[in-house]
Amino acid sequence: DTAVSQTPKYLVTQMGNDKSIKCEQNLGHDTMYWYKQDSKKFLKIMFSYNNKELIINETVPNRFSPKSPDKAHLNLHINSLELGDSAVYFCASSQDLASWRTDTQYFGPGTRLTVL
Amino acid sequence: GDSVTQMEGPVTLSEEAFLTINCTYTATGYPSLFWYVQYPGEGLQLLLKATKADDKGSNKGFEATYRKETTSFHLEKGSVQVSDSAVYFCALTTGNQFYFGTGTSLTVIP
Repeated sequence: DTAVSQTPKYLVTQMGNDKSIKCEQNLGHDTMYWYKQDSKKFLKIMFSYNNKELIINETVPNRFSPKSPDKAHLNLHINSLELGDSAVYFCASSQDLASWRTDTQYFGPGTRLTVL
Repeated sequence: GDSVTQMEGPVTLSEEAFLTINCTYTATGYPSLFWYVQYPGEGLQLLLKATKADDKGSNKGFEATYRKETTSFHLEKGSVQVSDSAVYFCALTTGNQFYFGTGTSLTVIP
């Protein structure tokens, strides 16, 4: 059973396009996250979201927007893609923010986005 | 603000060598500390964690001790194997967010 899944695994697209990456977790967690990992493996949080609160990293351009149709899904929509958006994007989930002291994050396998 | 600093890689070791990857942190309050591992082509997965000072996390032969006095959480393993080749991330949380270090790439050669 896959705990956190993402689709697609690979995404190649032209500059200026709009694309979405989907994420689903079957762990019953309340909190989900999106991370961007650049070519040097640096991992940067973009958003954390539960059913009550969206926390946005202020350095994330507003071309990026998370969309959550329900607690088990947090999709990432990107408008007007730029070359610098090329990276691996990871979705993750954790039980909830209240149990942060012991919480473990469970990561999806990643989506490699290439913008041409 | 809260942050994690870990030693830069890449690190290359021979099989059965001793491994240390340094990690220090800055945090307000009392964070929980984690080590995550990323194998090639995969997402991150939790390796071990410690939630309070002097706690020792351990898993798969890896250990790390939460040292409040030195604000450190160094990862160690007595004898590495080729299968340990991966990128290792130190991380902390104090509440709303997780903070990850920049990752240390480890390659173990036979």
